Amino acid sequence: NAGVTQTPKFQVLKTGQSMTLQCAQDMNHEYMSWYRQDPGMGLRLIHYSVGAGITDQGEVPNGYNVSRSTTEDFPLRLLSAAPSQTSVYFCASRPGLAKVGELFFGEGSRLTVL
Amino acid sequence: AQSVTQPDIHITVSEGASLELRCNYSYGATPYLFWYVQSPGQGLQLLLKYFSGDTLVQGIKGFEAEFKRSQSSFNLRKPSVHWSDAAEYFCAVGGQTSGNTPLVFGKGTRLSVIA
Repeated sequence: NAGVTQTPKFQVLKTGQSMTLQCAQDMNHEYMSWYRQDPGMGLRLIHYSVGAGITDQGEVPNGYNVSRSTTEDFPLRLLSAAPSQTSVYFCASRPGLAKVGELFFGEGSRLTVL
Repeated sequence: AQSVTQPDIHITVSEGASLELRCNYSYGATPYLFWYVQSPGQGLQLLLKYFSGDTLVQGIKGFEAEFKRSQSSFNLRKPSVHWSDAAEYFCAVGGQTSGNTPLVFGKGTRLSVIA
């Protein structure tokens, strides 16, 4: 049972570099989302998607782009990384209306921007 | 706008002692409420959830939580803590009006367990 898979688990970038955090789920979930976790801040929603071709902004979307071309994949792109984007990123998914709110999380991707 | 407050940043309890983690929420309609646990270096795992019905809900690992509408609270309890319960705990609130409403998380409570 793969569930939600995130890659890479660790990444170090220099300021201004770009990268993509990958997220894939094999549960046929309609809803997918990206959170960032920072000490003392809890989890903050970056972007989310309610289905292929549909995305929306969360609480902290600036500096991040997303797209949803398939049900399975929801990549998060950093176009020009900044030190403020140093964080642990979590991808999470859930079915549509059947189980409202119960999110399934990946194991996280730890990003350091120098 | 919905919000969640977890008043305690860090709690230390002795192994075998009882535990209560506090959670207060703000939401304009009937909420869906959740508790998640995060072990070090891991993702979040659902402990329990409240959607409707009985206000005392049972979860995994011996945890329970009680929904009190009058106090806008959803406190997590465990009668006897084990060392393996040391982790960070997050309360979250979502809406019943739409199945696709994003969850809002509290800032978390870190639990330490001492011998």
